[in-house]
Amino acid sequence: DTGVSQDPRHKITKRGQNVTFRCDPISEHNRLYWYRQTLGQGPEFLTYFQNEAQLEKSRLLSDRFSAERPKGSFSTLEIQRTEQGDSAMYLCASSLWDQAFFGQGTRLTVV
Amino acid sequence: AQKVTQAQTEISVVEKEDVTLDCVYETRDTTYYLFWYKQPPSGELVFLIRRNSFDEQNEISGRYSWNFQKSTSSFNFTITASQVVDSAVYFCALSEGGLSGSARQLTFGSGTQLTVLP
Repeated sequence: DTGVSQDPRHKITKRGQNVTFRCDPISEHNRLYWYRQTLGQGPEFLTYFQNEAQLEKSRLLSDRFSAERPKGSFSTLEIQRTEQGDSAMYLCASSLWDQAFFGQGTRLTVV
Repeated sequence: AQKVTQAQTEISVVEKEDVTLDCVYETRDTTYYLFWYKQPPSGELVFLIRRNSFDEQNEISGRYSWNFQKSTSSFNFTITASQVVDSAVYFCALSEGGLSGSARQLTFGSGTQLTVLP
């Protein structure tokens, strides 16, 4: 499968725990994006990488969130000290120019 | 700041009816891109179409057609002869052009839930 891959697909965690998600973009794509989608809403931009450089971060990305893209390949999104409000679908997308391809997302439930 | 408005929260039609999904956008950039994505119950966002701000030609692809009008800042999407498999949430999105002309991050509308009844 040559699409965008995200792992895990589902994560249930207790409030206060740390979680990490992984995204593997399409191999030749140099741009990688993270979005968050809550129920009934469209995805909201979190952060963007071009190769290994994190070029933009949304104000939605609080200090508890951190993203990395070592070597410009896969990316990880970590949430520290999770809160119930972090429950959402976390979507990863990659692009070469102006067409973004999305993964199936990681659904996080904080209990 | 950029904004995308999809005023229709839910639409329900009977199979074989035509349906139009509305999208209105706001941006200060002269270079931008507009997109439609489909999100079936499985959750994955499926790309449908991309238009850039310099190309106002309407487009038809099979049962899908798009009407882009800069004068009214609208980019509407029509499905002809709808089918049950078209049932999904449809998102309109906007991306302002980056320095190199490539798109930056997407701003999505809140989506329209389309239900096609048999």
